[in-house]
Amino acid sequence: QKEVEQDPGPLSVPEGAIVSLNCTYSNSAFQYFMWYRQYSRKGPELLMYTYSSGNKEDGRFTAQVDKSSKYISLFIRDSQPSDSATYLCAMSGGGGTSYGKLTFGQGTILTVHP
Amino acid sequence: GAVVSQHPSWVICKSGTSVKIECRSLDFQATTMFWYRQFPKQSLMLMATSNEGSKATYEQGVEKDKFLINHASLTLSTLTVTSAHPEDSSFYICSARRRGGAYNEQFFGPGTRLTVL
Repeated sequence: QKEVEQDPGPLSVPEGAIVSLNCTYSNSAFQYFMWYRQYSRKGPELLMYTYSSGNKEDGRFTAQVDKSSKYISLFIRDSQPSDSATYLCAMSGGGGTSYGKLTFGQGTILTVHP
Repeated sequence: GAVVSQHPSWVICKSGTSVKIECRSLDFQATTMFWYRQFPKQSLMLMATSNEGSKATYEQGVEKDKFLINHASLTLSTLTVTSAHPEDSSFYICSARRRGGAYNEQFFGPGTRLTVL
């Protein structure tokens, strides 16, 4: 079993739709949760960074973390064609010798069509 | 701020040759740099972690003699793929952690696509 599971999609939605992206994980030591956006042939770009459980909103993006269920989500409101990319969830533990290592999900390919 | 560059952006080489990839933090000092490998439609797999001035820590299953990592300064790390073979063809991405920044906040480079013929 992978430490982080993410449905690779692909996911195709019309412009303006609300997009829901999710990851589940098995390692209860994870405390920091991130969402990255990666355009084709580019490096990942940090979108959202959250610590422990709760919600965080930034513009059209909302990240949710439910540690009791080991489940995190990213919502994109009013989706735009420019949001078309691969979205990767990533997690890390709370310290020790991990040096801040990130464990990534497989990534979900999202296409927003006009 | 927090820009990371990689050079080259792509490289094609013959089997058996060595290839060096550079990763630079342009506007900050990077105490730690990470090297990842990504196959098509797959996630990033951490290969190694390097701290400035010390030997890299390799993940299980990564051959340290094949993937040589040097982190000689606070702004530069290099990955050398020695005696490259077609199965080494992949997208290599580096990231950097900023001095004084959150220990798990990484800034990623644009990646280097390696094709070994």
